[in-house]
Amino acid sequence: QQQVKQSPQSLIVQKGGISIINCAYENTAFDYFPWYQQFPGKGPALLIAIRPDVSEKKEGRFTISFNKSAKQFSLHIMDSQPGDSATYFCAASPISGSRLTFGEGTQLTVNP
Amino acid sequence: GAVVSQHPSRVICKSGTSVKIECRSLDFQATTMFWYRQFPKKSLMLMATSNEGSKATYEQGVEKDKFLINHASLTLSTLTVTSAHPEDSSFYICSATGPRNTGELFFGEGSRLTVL
Repeated sequence: QQQVKQSPQSLIVQKGGISIINCAYENTAFDYFPWYQQFPGKGPALLIAIRPDVSEKKEGRFTISFNKSAKQFSLHIMDSQPGDSATYFCAASPISGSRLTFGEGTQLTVNP
Repeated sequence: GAVVSQHPSRVICKSGTSVKIECRSLDFQATTMFWYRQFPKKSLMLMATSNEGSKATYEQGVEKDKFLINHASLTLSTLTVTSAHPEDSSFYICSATGPRNTGELFFGEGSRLTVL
């Protein structure tokens, strides 16, 4: 019940295209759903996060879509750039605290 | 945003020695910090939750006598890998709950441990 499943494992997109990464969870107690970006040899950095009371959140080129009934959420990167090439992790944490459960990660490559 | 600093960023040690990794919250107080371990091309695995002034809570399967965690102040948590072996080589990352307790976690830059 604590798992967060993420797909695809890897993704190759052309510059200017849309990158879409999907996650699904089981635990209905999860209340906070962040996305992290990680470059090689660095710690994860928060990109954008959403709570279940909204279905979509947009910040610049990054959008989270959230489907509470399906227990799924996704990250959309519009106008993908080579600098977006990194590993992306979805995560979730319960109402009571900030103990995060991470998805398996998606290696995104944006070709010039 | 809140800044979490980790030190050292890279460390190489011999088998059998102990290594200490520090995690500091630079501009906020963190009553709770988390330690993660990450293998190459894998996800982050939570090792333990560190609470200021109390014993750490370890995840199932994590040896608390091998991975000693101390959270002596509101801005510092340390992870000591005792009697390190090559299989302990990994990327260790700490994180801290942000100052507004919104559930947002801020991560350190990570520490790459290589045990020879």
